[in-house]
Amino acid sequence: ELKVEQNPLFLSMQEGKNYTIYCNYSTTSDRLYWYRQDPGKSLESLFVLLSNGAVKQEGRLMASLDTKARLSTLHITAAVHDLSATYFCAVGSFGNEKLTFGTGTRLTIIP
Amino acid sequence: KAGVTQTPRYLIKTRGQQVTLSCSPISGHRSVSWYQQTPGQGLQFLFEYFSETQRNKGNFPGRFSGRQFSNSRSEMNVSTLELGDSALYLCASSFDLAGGKYEQYFGPGTRLTVT
Repeated sequence: ELKVEQNPLFLSMQEGKNYTIYCNYSTTSDRLYWYRQDPGKSLESLFVLLSNGAVKQEGRLMASLDTKARLSTLHITAAVHDLSATYFCAVGSFGNEKLTFGTGTRLTIIP
Repeated sequence: KAGVTQTPRYLIKTRGQQVTLSCSPISGHRSVSWYQQTPGQGLQFLFEYFSETQRNKGNFPGRFSGRQFSNSRSEMNVSTLELGDSALYLCASSFDLAGGKYEQYFGPGTRLTVT
């Protein structure tokens, strides 16, 4: 059974600082997703990573994938308050649409 | 392009009742997946429908069921509601993995409260 571990669960950081969220998964997969969720809202798609070494960047967020280590990272550069949210990674199962989600990382950016 | 829509957005039901939730995917998307989100269990996969057929199912009791119509709209039903069914139910829309398109887009969710 595919398991996805995300850490840290909670992250409080100051504006302007850099930090990384980690996502480990237990079995081979062909795709990994990052989503953002604001309180009381749905999931907003951030990135889809498909191959080993894949790196995608959007603004202050950069995601990477190491399929050999079964690890993805979401790096936040020079954090701003607007990035405060809960971030989820999700791993796809081979051949079907099912996603297995990590526990989420609640990120709070302090001015 | 319109996004994924879910109705109703909020629902309050009593234990023992049943409920039906609806999801309309993005135009052209043929796969609809359902997820339950609770503070204790996080986001859990319920089932996925493609071309009116259930292709995959999560580990939920038989009280949870769904269906998909020819226009790709999907409904999920929960019978004999329990307090633990209180959750945010999210619907995800995607084109199809076989088409090489991997993005999954989520609707706004239906917040179900069981009293």
